[in-house]
Amino acid sequence: QQPVQSPQAVILREGEDAVINCSSSKALYSVHWYRQKHGEAPVFLMILLKGGEQKGHDKISASFNEKKQQSSLYLTASQLSYSGTYFCGTRSGNAGNMLTFGGGTRLMVKP
Amino acid sequence: DGGITQSPKYLFRKEGQNVTLSCEQNLNHDAMYWYRQDPGQGLRLIYYSQIVNDFQKGDIAEGYSVSREKKESFPLTVTSAQKNPTAFYLCASSRSGATGEQYFGPGTRLTVT
Repeated sequence: QQPVQSPQAVILREGEDAVINCSSSKALYSVHWYRQKHGEAPVFLMILLKGGEQKGHDKISASFNEKKQQSSLYLTASQLSYSGTYFCGTRSGNAGNMLTFGGGTRLMVKP
Repeated sequence: DGGITQSPKYLFRKEGQNVTLSCEQNLNHDAMYWYRQDPGQGLRLIYYSQIVNDFQKGDIAEGYSVSREKKESFPLTVTSAQKNPTAFYLCASSRSGATGEQYFGPGTRLTVT
């Protein structure tokens, strides 16, 4: 079952902040965040691991609540380049390398 | 430069024809994946392979086939049995182990008429 992302879409002005949420009904081992520009491949942003370890982008932060099986991606002081669709990919403990992706959150940053 | 290549970028086929999409990586990754993306939708896993000569079905494997004869290559064949083959197809690879991030190729947009 795929994770649920919210909101489905958000429009910001440059400099504003946004939070994108990702919820799963399964116990999670890790959460991966990607950004995809229209017609392009998704680009890795951040990975959050069970136990609190994080790897990823300098200007983007995220949290992972293991008990609630939820993750949030925090975009602060948004720039025009942040526009795109954000996907979370979740990995359960018994899924090996496989990720299950959410439906995506479309973010548009306007001048 | 290390990376993943997919070819061609755009592909047009007639209904009833099989078509093979290429995916090559020089990142020395053990695991490779194929995803399908429909307009405005997320990524759905078709097949994945964690090691040469071994692969497993993902969520939507019906109408697709793969092979993994070399570590670097993971071609996907869209067969005539796939009822709605028109989509954006993305290949990805990762290190072994549950913490490896996936790196994606540029994708192939397949249109079947």
